[in-house]
Amino acid sequence: NAGVTQTPKFRVLKTGQSMTLLCAQDMNHEYMYWYRQDPGMGLRLIHYSVGEGTTAKGEVPDGYNVSRLKKQNFLLGLESAAPSQTSVYFCASSGGGELFFGEGSRLTVL
Amino acid sequence: DQQVKQNSPSLSVQEGRISILNCDYTNSMFDYFLWYKKYPAEGPTFLISISSIKDKNEDGRFTVFLNKSAKHLSLHIVPSQPGDSAVYFCAAFQGAQKLVFGQGTRLTINP
Repeated sequence: NAGVTQTPKFRVLKTGQSMTLLCAQDMNHEYMYWYRQDPGMGLRLIHYSVGEGTTAKGEVPDGYNVSRLKKQNFLLGLESAAPSQTSVYFCASSGGGELFFGEGSRLTVL
Repeated sequence: DQQVKQNSPSLSVQEGRISILNCDYTNSMFDYFLWYKKYPAEGPTFLISISSIKDKNEDGRFTVFLNKSAKHLSLHIVPSQPGDSAVYFCAAFQGAQKLVFGQGTRLTINP
């Protein structure tokens, strides 16, 4: 029972490079989320999705894009990475109540 | 604009005593609140929740209190155990499915 799985777990990028974080959930949840965690800032919502084919902006969406082509997957893309995007990224899913989180992806942008 | 605030970055409590973690919010439209616990290198895990129609919810050693007039909630852990050492996040639902988090409080339980 995997729950929410994020790949990769760690990544180092140079400024200007692009990358995609993949989130997969096996709980048949409708709702999926991407958060970032920074010291002293807590968890801030980047984008979220209320169903397959839908996406919506959260608190800090700038510099990120997302796609939900399949119900079980939610992709977070960085088109041109910046040092300010160095963070730990968490994906979560929900069936309508509490959110279930993945283990996180640590991204460093040099 | 931080709608959910945890003003204490850290808290240290002796094992066996009560831990009280506090959270304030500014949006009176929030109607469902949750507490999450996070260990290092792991994702947050759900701990306990409370609806705005209640003022208390209890689950074993964990109790959450909600004071709507003060826009304040608190998490009580009693008795505190070493395994409770973690970062605790308060969160509130904004709209149907948008969950907003506070900054977190690092709880340390001392033997």
